[in-house]
Amino acid sequence: AQKVTQAQTEISVVEKEDVTLDCVYETRDTTYYLFWYKQPPSGELVFLIRRNSFDEQNEISGRYSWNFQKSTSSFNFTITASQVVDSAVYFCALPYSGAGSYQLTFGKGTKLSVIP
Amino acid sequence: DVKVTQSSRYLVKRTGEKVFLECVQDMDHENMFWYRQDPGLGLRLIYFSYDVKMKEKGDIPEGYSVSREKKERFSLILESASTNQTSMYLCASSLSTGRGNQPQHFGDGTRLSIL
Repeated sequence: AQKVTQAQTEISVVEKEDVTLDCVYETRDTTYYLFWYKQPPSGELVFLIRRNSFDEQNEISGRYSWNFQKSTSSFNFTITASQVVDSAVYFCALPYSGAGSYQLTFGKGTKLSVIP
Repeated sequence: DVKVTQSSRYLVKRTGEKVFLECVQDMDHENMFWYRQDPGLGLRLIYFSYDVKMKEKGDIPEGYSVSREKKERFSLILESASTNQTSMYLCASSLSTGRGNQPQHFGDGTRLSIL
């Protein structure tokens, strides 16, 4: 069965610190995609990134970077020089296994608080 | 940009009422989803639909039903609201191209309180 584990329930950092959010997954699929979402206090989930299992290169987008390691089944998210606007709950997600599946399995989320 | 619109941000209803939560998307997405989000439990899928008039149960369908009469609209119905259905409800949509490869795009959520 698909499983996504975000072991860090809550993290607090001081502004400008770097922070890494961990995501570990289990899947029986040989090819798959992984996703990260951000949920600010206002409530909407915002799609951040999609990566496929063929591509283990790190992805960088501004202050955000993602490290995908298939050997350890991890897809970690790093925010460099954190800002107060980064305060949110972050979710990692993995598609259900099997043909015709469009559902996502979400981790329980990591709440990040960036303190000014 | 994809726009998923939920009819209400906040809603207060009474026990036993029939409650309708509406969701509309403007990107011609085939798939639509309803989740509820509770502290400590994360997002749990209630129902999803992959085409007009088609629906599939998610992980927690009990006490809920759905309706999809038009491609852009997906309604969640609480047949007889109970206090344990007080929650944040999130609607999402996605393309069906490629199994599970497309991101889901979410609405702003509806905070529903059942008194």
